[in-house]
Order: sequence, then structure tokens, then C-alpha cells
Amino acid sequence: QQPVQSPQAVILREGEDAVINCSSSKALYSVHWYRQKHGEAPVFLMILLKGGEQKGHDKISASFNEKKQQSSLYLTASQLSYSGTYFCGTEIKFRDDKIIFGKGTRLHILP
Amino acid sequence: DSGVTQTPKHLITATGQRVTLRCSPRSGDLSVYWYQQSLDQGLQFLIHYYNGEERAKGNILERFSAQQFPDLHSELNLSSLELGDSALYFCASSEAPSGASYNEQFFGPGTRLTVL
Repeated sequence: QQPVQSPQAVILREGEDAVINCSSSKALYSVHWYRQKHGEAPVFLMILLKGGEQKGHDKISASFNEKKQQSSLYLTASQLSYSGTYFCGTEIKFRDDKIIFGKGTRLHILP
Repeated sequence: DSGVTQTPKHLITATGQRVTLRCSPRSGDLSVYWYQQSLDQGLQFLIHYYNGEERAKGNILERFSAQQFPDLHSELNLSSLELGDSALYFCASSEAPSGASYNEQFFGPGTRLTVL
């Protein structure tokens, strides 16, 4: 039931774009994205709901393809501050009462 | 600062022992979630309480238990500790039970447990 994230790790230069994928073997109700910087707690980025719109703020956006049970996180013109581990979490039904997170994608931005 | 507090920050103990981790949610949040984070497993969901009631369980070991008190703080009890229980334990709080578009979870700073 744990979603699968890809790639496991990626190294970019500042200003480059990145895409992080999250896929599930089960139909999904929602997908949650969090970022965790080294030595810190995870921080919320966004939630995408079934039937909802693509979301985004600043240069980070995400899409949710319900038919393919997949979500993608897009980081455009990456900044040094984007470095960290990105987790997707999934709920398979409304009021699932739990979010199951993937193993994370480590993103390292070089100057 | 997320507004969620966890104590202690670090805990070092021996195998076979029992420990209690404490979490105080953000003011007004009724939901508390517990997660275990080890190097190769990401964030593993353990258990969710909403307003004192257990709402969902993940792959939580029988040696582990939790509760949420009337003042909404929560405790995670780990007993008969094994080396493999060494990990970072996070709690997170949110307003809603789940399934709502505003169900952002706010994570505490975590408790690092080391079992020797």
C-alpha cells in the first residue's frame, strides 16, 4: 500500500527543473506532498484531491492523475532552498484517517 | 516552529526497557498522528487519534501503544525495546480527522530514540 516514489535521489544545479513522481497500486482519494530538510521535521507543501485542480505556489506545483493513480511534483528553476527529501503521502478513501508516505526522494541542489 | 512540541528530544536506553514519548499538538488541533522514521523506510505511519479516540492504526507493533488524553496531548509507549526500534519518532497534529482539503499536518521536532 506504500506509494512508490521515483527517482530515489536527484542532483541538480541551481536553476534546473525537477520532477518527482509518486505512484500507487490502489485508487487514490488524495495525495499529500511534504518536504523535509536535513535534521528538521517534514513541512507541508500541498494536497491534491480526487477531482481537484492542479495545485502550486511559487515555482513548485503538482498534478494528480486519478486514472493512473499517480502524482507528480514539479520544481521549476530550482533554488538552493529546495534541497531536502520530498515525501508523497496517499489516502485511498475519504476519511481514511491515515496518510501512507513513500520512502522519499532526496533532492540536492548545487550552486 | 510548527506549534507542536515533543519531549524528550533525545532518549538513550537499553534493550528490554520501556519508554514514553510525549506530544502536545497545536492549540485547537484535535488530531494527533505518530510516525516512525528510520533511514531506509521513510515515514512509517503508526497510529492516529482524534479527540481522544483511536481512528487508525498502521503497522504498529504490539509492544507499542498510544493514547490521547482529555487535554489532547498524546503519549506513545514503547516497551521491550529492541535495537531495531532505534529511530526518529514524529508526532503531527491537524485540525480535521482526515479526508478534508485542509488536512495539513504540522510535525513536531521529533524524538530520537537510541536503543543500545
